[in-house]
Amino acid sequence: GIQVEQSPPDLILQEGANSTLRCNFSDSVNNLQWFHQNPWGQLINLFYIPSGTKQNGRLSATTVATERYSLLYISSSQTTDSGVYFCAVGEGSTLGRLYFGRGTQLTVWP
Amino acid sequence: DAGVIQSPRHEVTEMGQEVTLRCKPISGHDYLFWYRQTMMRGLELLIYFNNNVPIDDSGMPEDRFSAKMPNASFSTLKIQPSEPRDSAVYFCASSLVLVGYGYTFGSGTRLTVV
Repeated sequence: GIQVEQSPPDLILQEGANSTLRCNFSDSVNNLQWFHQNPWGQLINLFYIPSGTKQNGRLSATTVATERYSLLYISSSQTTDSGVYFCAVGEGSTLGRLYFGRGTQLTVWP
Repeated sequence: DAGVIQSPRHEVTEMGQEVTLRCKPISGHDYLFWYRQTMMRGLELLIYFNNNVPIDDSGMPEDRFSAKMPNASFSTLKIQPSEPRDSAVYFCASSLVLVGYGYTFGSGTRLTVV
């Protein structure tokens, strides 16, 4: 299957700071999604973004498919942004199977 | 819409017992997925259905695991007999399509086998 590497593994920020999370993947993909797992364990879909750029409020994401990476930007961090951010990818031969990275643990302090 | 609904939220059972996890997908979603999350292996797909038909079950660990989707609004994941290594959080997710749309996850079932 596709290898997915996320960095950094841990990130600690003060409220109001900006951050960039990275996701590298080992093969061409036609499905890429970013999720936030909150401290209660709920997985929330943030973006479906196999290519291009999208923005949703303070969050934005960019995927450069030809170079096999995706970036998630969080601006003006809030304590509610804390949790684990996962990148998940899928490709044609195993369509429907998302391969998840190990995640970035984000902690935002007030 | 109430989202993807899973039950129970928590399950504690003794080794050797049968465990059944339940999932109600979002109405109108044609795809349903079962994922498992452990510290060791992270999030991994167990099986997914399209229009109630199992499409890819290659992630099902062994014969002790089985999944069914008798209709568009209900799916079960059964473990019989359960073992301590089955302890994990089991997530159900649904989607309108395989690509082009994000997947919606349920709140998960935390299973502990003692």
